[in-house]
Amino acid sequence: DIALTQSPDSLAVSLGERATINCKSSQSVLFTNDKNYLAWYQQKPGQPPKLLIYWASTRESGVPDRFSGSGSGTDFTLTISSLQAEDVAVYYCQQYYSTPPYTFGQGTRLEIK
Amino acid sequence: QVQLVESGGGVVQPGKSLRLSCLASGFTFSNYGMHWVRQAPGKGLEWVAVIWFEGGSNTYYVDSVKGRFTISRDNSKNILYLDMSNVRVEDTAIYYCARDRFVNTAMTSPFDSWGQGTLVTVSS
Repeated sequence: DIALTQSPDSLAVSLGERATINCKSSQSVLFTNDKNYLAWYQQKPGQPPKLLIYWASTRESGVPDRFSGSGSGTDFTLTISSLQAEDVAVYYCQQYYSTPPYTFGQGTRLEIK
Repeated sequence: QVQLVESGGGVVQPGKSLRLSCLASGFTFSNYGMHWVRQAPGKGLEWVAVIWFEGGSNTYYVDSVKGRFTISRDNSKNILYLDMSNVRVEDTAIYYCARDRFVNTAMTSPFDSWGQGTLVTVSS
């Protein structure tokens, strides 16, 4: 099974500053179609997760452009370019490469400094 | 709009059984792969099971529930099920149903719609 490790576990960033969350996969999630099978989700307290990014860098419809994803193979990054108060949440990466299980990272808690 | 509503959670004793349901609306249910994902109290997300849009034998499970949980769907009623048997204390979690992002395809997919979840508590 593919394991995902996120870093850091928690992060405090000032409003308007950049936030960066990393996700490292135990094996490559880059498929032969040149797509990385890696997604990012945001979960606010008491709510289900919300899909932000898929194919490692494709923003889901309606997601603000301050959210961006990058990386390939085994190393990925979610960047929030200018942190807003409503971005306080836990962020998860997930791989959906080939056969299940479709594992999630352990989560990164993002707070305001 | 897409809506997923889970039900069936509650308190159950270890070793007993429980059936969760997820009623879907706002989309052509039969065209999408569907998943169960769980979240233990204060913990992260754990993918549990998938049933592809074709249904039937096209199912997969996380190792910890294989042989105990069964995912199924009734496309005529737009309902996804999770039959849980021989439940354990470690199965205590909020159970979410979630929909594949991509329609009617063999390509694996992230999850673009989630229900609010139903809480299962396994306790004697």
